[in-house]
Amino acid sequence: NAGVTQTPKFQVLKTGQSMTLQCAQDMNHNSMYWYRQDPGMGLRLIYYSASEGTTDKGEVPNGYNVSRLNKREFSLRLESAAPSQTSVYFCASSPRLAAIGDTQYFGPGTRLTVL
Amino acid sequence: SQKIEQNSEALNIQEGKTATLTCNYTNYSPAYLQWYRQDPGRGPVFLLLIRENEKEKRKERLKVTFDTTLKQSLFHITASQPADSATYLCALDGGSQGNLIFGKGTKLSVKP
Repeated sequence: NAGVTQTPKFQVLKTGQSMTLQCAQDMNHNSMYWYRQDPGMGLRLIYYSASEGTTDKGEVPNGYNVSRLNKREFSLRLESAAPSQTSVYFCASSPRLAAIGDTQYFGPGTRLTVL
Repeated sequence: SQKIEQNSEALNIQEGKTATLTCNYTNYSPAYLQWYRQDPGRGPVFLLLIRENEKEKRKERLKVTFDTTLKQSLFHITASQPADSATYLCALDGGSQGNLIFGKGTKLSVKP
């Protein structure tokens, strides 16, 4: 039982390049989330998916797109990377929406640098 | 909009003492509040959840209180150990948004 896995662990991009961050969970959870964490800013929600087939914007969605490929996988895409997107990205999952009270399980993170 | 604040960026204490971390919130009445631990280079790990109708929750050396009048949660680690050194995050439910709102965290250092 691997929990939540993320790939890649590290990535360096040039401004304007695109990339997709992958996330998968093996806990049969319905809800999945993408956060970014910056020094002094805490964790901020980018997008979330309450269940397979649905996605919703979080606090900071600009510059990102997501795909809930199936119940296990939730990917985050940067179409044209900008230096402001340099951050650590965390994927998380929960049995149901966190608002109901379920706890979230986090992946190990992807450290992205945009030059 | 909801606002959540963890009063201290860093807290240094001596081994064996009780660490007390504070989480305050405004403009909202959350149904519950959660505490997470984050070690350097790793994702947050859930510790405790306390609901609005609960005053106190305990788990081993951890204790969380929830005062909805003061709009505050306190997180206590008794008999602290150097292994407790980490960043602790509080999070409250985002209501209709269906997500969690996280504080910026308090970095706890326990010295031997």
